Amino acid sequence: QVQLVQSGAEVKKPGASVKVSCKASGYSFTSYYMYWVRQAPGQGLEWMGMINPNGGYTSYAQKFQGRVTVTRDTSTSTVYMEVSSLRPEDTAVYYCAREYYYAGDRYGMDVWGQGTTVTVSS
Amino acid sequence: SYELTQPPSVSVSPGQTARITCSGDVLPNQYAYWYQQKPGQAPVLVIYKDTERPSGIPERFSGSSSGTIVTLTISGVQAEDEADYYCQSAASSTSPRVFGGGTKLTVL
Repeated sequence: QVQLVQSGAEVKKPGASVKVSCKASGYSFTSYYMYWVRQAPGQGLEWMGMINPNGGYTSYAQKFQGRVTVTRDTSTSTVYMEVSSLRPEDTAVYYCAREYYYAGDRYGMDVWGQGTTVTVSS
Repeated sequence: SYELTQPPSVSVSPGQTARITCSGDVLPNQYAYWYQQKPGQAPVLVIYKDTERPSGIPERFSGSSSGTIVTLTISGVQAEDEADYYCQSAASSTSPRVFGGGTKLTVL
């Protein structure tokens, strides 16, 4: 079945980096965009960045430019998101989500990972 | 960048119709998407491309668009529909995506 499986919870100190993985299965990996969305405790959804696995094009929210890097490994159908210079306010649940696109149309984030909790604390 | 604005909360009684709005300058030219999120769970896509409903989503969920406002309508609200709802869009197919602030739907 179609699923996105994320790596486990992380605890980091301020200033450190974290790399979260998202392994896709059950569908054509290069036919869907992959997004990263985070949710701080009690807060709303925040879009962070994306990658087109077909070619590797990336786009980031202005807020995260220079601090977030999204990459992919097509041989393992895995997308990675690295956040550097972590701050306590980066404490959140991080989700990956896929979106089908075709002929300029996008069809919504229809499959989500289970979420990865990242805690930043000294 | 741009913003999508949603009301923080909407309350309805079971069986009534709930309408959740989302406003933004990009919406006349870009599609909107709606997600439902229940506590402790990942979001679920309930409407895409303004009005389309994914398979498996009940028919009581529908979407509409008029100018700078898109609306998620839930007809015959059930207790299980109590959740947070988020709209989402983008300025273009390659632009960063943006979520609205979310609306908490309470079923009285």
